[in-house]
Amino acid sequence: AIQVTQSPSSLSASVGDRVTITCRASQDIGRDLGWYQQRPGKAPKLLIYAASSLQSGVPSRFSGSGSGTDFTLTITSLQPEDFATYYCLQDYNYLWTFGQGTKVEIK
Amino acid sequence: QLQLQESGPGLVKPSETLSLTCNVSGGSINSSTHYWGWIRQPPGKGLEWIGCIFYTGSTYYNPSLKSRVTISMAPSRDQFSLKVTSVTAADTAVYYCARARYSGFGSQFEYWGQGTLLTVSS
Repeated sequence: AIQVTQSPSSLSASVGDRVTITCRASQDIGRDLGWYQQRPGKAPKLLIYAASSLQSGVPSRFSGSGSGTDFTLTITSLQPEDFATYYCLQDYNYLWTFGQGTKVEIK
Repeated sequence: QLQLQESGPGLVKPSETLSLTCNVSGGSINSSTHYWGWIRQPPGKGLEWIGCIFYTGSTYYNPSLKSRVTISMAPSRDQFSLKVTSVTAADTAVYYCARARYSGFGSQFEYWGQGTLLTVSS
């Protein structure tokens, strides 16, 4: 099964900061990867699909990049509502695997 | 607007079978471009994909759970269900049902239920 390694596991940042989270897949998955935001007590929310496509209704400060094995989620100008946990999810060949999660905390 | 709602017992005894149902409203479960899935999250931990079902009845399971998991669907009722056998405390989690849309580059979960906590305890 494909493994996904997400880093960092947590980070501290201030409002207005640029934040970068990475996921590395254990084999080439093309662009079959998405990014999710989860606030405490809530279901995850899809932000990015197909590695770099912005889901409808998601602010443009969120962006995704990468292909193959290395992927990045970038949040430009962090807002108060962005403090949450973020997960990547690969879905290559009908087997889905989540990254371990990155908790973005207020500095 | 599509909505998904999980329902289940809340509490299951060790070694018994866990059964959850997802009711879909605002859309049909008979779709050639969507997968219907189950994801769980143990308290304070990360997300774990359990499995998915396609409208043809084809199923896809997490290899680590495959021997204990069955996902089925009832299209006439716009429902799909999850069964997990021989449960232990490690199966205690919030269980989510969700719909994934095929985008040309994989299928990501764009709609989620609110989640239901299932506790395994005697």
